[in-house]
Amino acid sequence: DVVMTQSPLSLPVTLGQPASISCRSSQSLVHSDGNTYLTWFQQRPGQSPRRLIYKVSNRDSGVPDRFSGSGSDTDFTLKISRVEAEDVGVYYCMQGTHWPTAFGQGTKVEIK
Amino acid sequence: QVQLVQSGAEVKKPGASVKVSCKASGYPFSVYDINWVRQAPGKGLEWMGWMNPDSGNSAYVQKFQGRVTMTRNTSIRTAYMELSGLRSEDTAVYYCARRTGYYSFDNWGQGTLVTVSS
Repeated sequence: DVVMTQSPLSLPVTLGQPASISCRSSQSLVHSDGNTYLTWFQQRPGQSPRRLIYKVSNRDSGVPDRFSGSGSDTDFTLKISRVEAEDVGVYYCMQGTHWPTAFGQGTKVEIK
Repeated sequence: QVQLVQSGAEVKKPGASVKVSCKASGYPFSVYDINWVRQAPGKGLEWMGWMNPDSGNSAYVQKFQGRVTMTRNTSIRTAYMELSGLRSEDTAVYYCARRTGYYSFDNWGQGTLVTVSS
């Protein structure tokens, strides 16, 4: 099974400063169809997960453009250009390329 | 708009079964797979498996095989996840989620807390 490893697991950030979360997979996430099915979710306290980014770098409708995704093969990054108070929560990466689907452990973003 | 509305919280005794429902609206129910993900208290997300509402076909993570059944009733646009042989470690919030063509989950239910306690 593919293992997704996120770092750091805890990320204290100053308001207005950038933040970056790494997600590494134990195998390449390039599908046989040529696409890479890596998704990022945000889970605010007490809420259901919300999709932010799909296929590595495609931002969902309504997601602020301060969120961006990048990477390839086994190494992926979610960046927040300027952290706002509403960004507090846990962020998960997820791979859908291989069976079974797998999530990273989550990265908790909090304000310093 | 797309909505997935789940059934309410449940308290079960060890060894019992629980059946959680997920009612879909705002899109053609049969077109998108429904997936189930659980989250133990203070822990991360754990994928359990999926069900195709059109065919009724389903597939489960090995960890849950033999204990989980995912079904649907297309006439009322509702998916179900039944977990049997409950143990305390099954205490978690269970989410249904719609899977898009990008092997990703674009809409989630509000979650159903299942507590297993004697």
